[in-house]
Amino acid sequence: DAGITQSPRHKVTETGTPVTLRCHQTENHRYMYWYRQDPGHGLRLIHYSYGVKDTDKGEVSDGYSVSRSKTEDFLLTLESATSSQTSVYFCATVEREGLYEQYFGPGTRLTVT
Amino acid sequence: KNEVEQSPQNLTAQEGEFITINCSYSVGISALHWLQQHPGGGIVSLFMLSSGKKKHGRLIATINIQEKHSSLHITAPHPRDSAVYICAVRPRRDDKIIFGKGTRLHILP
Repeated sequence: DAGITQSPRHKVTETGTPVTLRCHQTENHRYMYWYRQDPGHGLRLIHYSYGVKDTDKGEVSDGYSVSRSKTEDFLLTLESATSSQTSVYFCATVEREGLYEQYFGPGTRLTVT
Repeated sequence: KNEVEQSPQNLTAQEGEFITINCSYSVGISALHWLQQHPGGGIVSLFMLSSGKKKHGRLIATINIQEKHSSLHITAPHPRDSAVYICAVRPRRDDKIIFGKGTRLHILP
């Protein structure tokens, strides 16, 4: 357990509103990832970070932005939520490149109505 | 084309029946992960492999780097082993991790 927490754990929001999800880790891991999980698709990478202020896009980054101003926090923002962004969002960390474990947060269930 | 393919997609077996889940991938990797997700639950790392074989209790994971293939075996599974098992790979010289779609395992008592 890498001490990863996500907040909120559940959220219902309306189309067009901004939403920010927070991932917090206590292990000083370098890499942090945001994934979404949908039936039939498995886990898909939204954005990831390889250090403070260093981020890059994943395969489903449209409509999402991220920020990492501190090692321990990785924020995912939906600027204007859409129903297609209803999903379960997982944060994960990896200590560094190479043969290191992945650790996942508990997930955030987001519903956009 | 998916870079990580798992088979089968769904597997139902009797308690105690040896089961195997397969994972094939198409890229050179630095590590392969097997993960477990219970219904409505979080994701837990079971194994991380770069070569050979690892064992943890009733779970065994093997990898053949030349054939780009890994297997997860469960000896004498219990109903509590019912979960989705996910294979994921970390390509060489890449920070991203690629996931398979998972295998849903259901163990009948």
